[in-house]
Amino acid sequence: EADIYQTPRYLVIGTGKKITLECSQTMGHDKMYWYQQDPGMELHLIHYSYGVNSTEKGDLSSESTVSRIRTEHFPLTLESARPSHTSQYLCASSVLGGTVMAYEQYFGPGTRLTVT
Amino acid sequence: GDSVTQMEGPVTLSEEAFLTINCTYTATGYPSLFWYVQYPGEGLQLLLKATKADDKGSNKGFEATYRKETTSFHLEKGSVQVSDSAVYFCALANRDDKIIFGKGTRLHILP
Repeated sequence: EADIYQTPRYLVIGTGKKITLECSQTMGHDKMYWYQQDPGMELHLIHYSYGVNSTEKGDLSSESTVSRIRTEHFPLTLESARPSHTSQYLCASSVLGGTVMAYEQYFGPGTRLTVT
Repeated sequence: GDSVTQMEGPVTLSEEAFLTINCTYTATGYPSLFWYVQYPGEGLQLLLKATKADDKGSNKGFEATYRKETTSFHLEKGSVQVSDSAVYFCALANRDDKIIFGKGTRLHILP
């Protein structure tokens, strides 16, 4: 059973507000990821991290930012939310590379964000 | 670059029907291949995997065989249940340990 948590599960917020989506995992995984999932289900990698103080941008450009101050915690922040940010956001984690286990990502339940 | 192509959905079947969801890939080297499943309101979870040619991954009655000659990893199940209704993602991982997901196939099983 994967132990990766996301809060809130659902968020409706007005344009211009600052929001932080929380993601925590208790598995001690070094790598963590944020994906944006569009209504057509496709997943887009927007941020990832190899460990504490490491953050990288993913394949899809995003106005969001992330931080990794603790191994277990990988929050995503939008400074000024816009309707175009409405989407499902999924957090995931995995062990660091070197074996095939590094390719198995464990996903949280997601946060569905609606910006009005 | 590496890519994954899977059949578009939605796929609608009656309970106890045979399921095939096609997946082909393009990659350099020898990637590992995966099927992930996303049930309604949840995140993705790993369903099965195969790490080398001719490997067969299996779980919960689902199977997929790594076919290097046809660059395919088709998902099959002999008798689907209503509880199998979900979105299925084919994926590959290569040496830089990033996963590339297909676009997902939504499966509806009718009772």
